[in-house]
Amino acid sequence: AQKVTQAQTEISVVEKEDVTLDCVYETRDTTYYLFWYKQPPSGELVFLIRRNSFDEQNEISGRYSWNFQKSTSSFNFTITASQVVDSAVYFCALSSTSGAGSYQLTFGKGTKLSVIP
Amino acid sequence: GAVVSQHPSWVICKSGTSVKIECRSLDFQATTMFWYRQFPKQSLMLMATSNEGSKATYEQGVEKDKFLINHASLTLSTLTVTSAHPEDSSFYICSARGRILAGVVEQFFGPGTRLTVL
Repeated sequence: AQKVTQAQTEISVVEKEDVTLDCVYETRDTTYYLFWYKQPPSGELVFLIRRNSFDEQNEISGRYSWNFQKSTSSFNFTITASQVVDSAVYFCALSSTSGAGSYQLTFGKGTKLSVIP
Repeated sequence: GAVVSQHPSWVICKSGTSVKIECRSLDFQATTMFWYRQFPKQSLMLMATSNEGSKATYEQGVEKDKFLINHASLTLSTLTVTSAHPEDSSFYICSARGRILAGVVEQFFGPGTRLTVL
């Protein structure tokens, strides 16, 4: 069975601070995908990143960066110089790439980020 | 880019009525569609997976007779909540997976449908 744990339920930061959202996953698959999604109050999921389990390179996209550590089964997300518009619920998700249930996403419980001006 | 639409975006209905939610892939053919449900302040939970032309596969605990899923074409899947009750009030989100470019398969989420049952 797959499992995604986001231990931080809610985080509040002051604008311009950096913040890291943690994600730890469990899977028996050797190949899998990891995702981060942003869900603003409107409810629509906004895709942020997909990472293949073979690719452990960290990635940076503007103020966003992701740290994939296969050895610790973690895929953490950092927002640098946070802004009020970053306030949302962020979900980490996992999917297998083969077999029954492939490409079904297992979501973590989400971390609600509040950026205070 | 590829887009997935859902209709309606929100619906309010009386208890006991049935509600149909449509999920469409607008510029690609979705061989697989997933339906998720999200209760307030909770995570998304997979309800069922449907492949075009075949019966949906439901997750444990999801009543197939209550949540009817039809995936009759490569661009349309529907979820019908039959005899809806207040406890069915939730945010329903579909996801469509298909080939958007030669050799490239991607998956996209719809904007969601908020169902409120009075």
